[in-house]
Amino acid sequence: ETGVTQTPRHLVMGMTNKKSLKCEQHLGHNAMYWYKQSAKKPLELMFVYNFKEQTENNSVPSRFSPECPNSSHLFLHLHTLQPEDSALYLCASSRREDYEQYFGPGTRLTVT
Amino acid sequence: DQQVKQNSPSLSVQEGRISILNCDYTNSMFDYFLWYKKYPAEGPTFLISISSIKDKNEDGRFTVFLNKSAKHLSLHIVPSQPGDSAVYFCAASNFGNEKLTFGTGTRLTIIP
Repeated sequence: ETGVTQTPRHLVMGMTNKKSLKCEQHLGHNAMYWYKQSAKKPLELMFVYNFKEQTENNSVPSRFSPECPNSSHLFLHLHTLQPEDSALYLCASSRREDYEQYFGPGTRLTVT
Repeated sequence: DQQVKQNSPSLSVQEGRISILNCDYTNSMFDYFLWYKKYPAEGPTFLISISSIKDKNEDGRFTVFLNKSAKHLSLHIVPSQPGDSAVYFCAASNFGNEKLTFGTGTRLTIIP
């Protein structure tokens, strides 16, 4: 068990839909991250939260909206996505003072 | 502008032999390097790391070597086992920065 869970594991949505991805970490970490992995591209950092405060927004379009209600939970709200947003979305967590990040299994998103 | 490069998209190695995965970086500010392993339908799993003050770190069958002057690191797996078949990602960071910059990955296949 990785200690970081993500739901749903698979999601198919139309361009006009609104959906949310959920991430939960059980490791007592205080930093959480959203990454996007597209085919044949490196993992791209999207957002970083430290102690529930957003510290990084890597020029992500506003159709992606993160929410971090506490140090254990992270959401990514999706609305009016484009087909090119289809990708694997990975959540990770870490202790703020450590480099090592621990990843969840990801949500495979398909936008039709 | 890819700051972390893994130039071999795939590698096949006979079981029992040594697997060597390579990674190059361009940003001289990076001072901490990590290797992650990813199985299909799972998130990346932290494998081993090295600080720039060292040139070698060993953990069981896994050894990471760092050549700062060449901006190059490698992961050695010996002996290679079928369970090592996965995609391996190299990542880099620098002190005080929670961001990890990833390479595109190398798919390692261990041939029985």
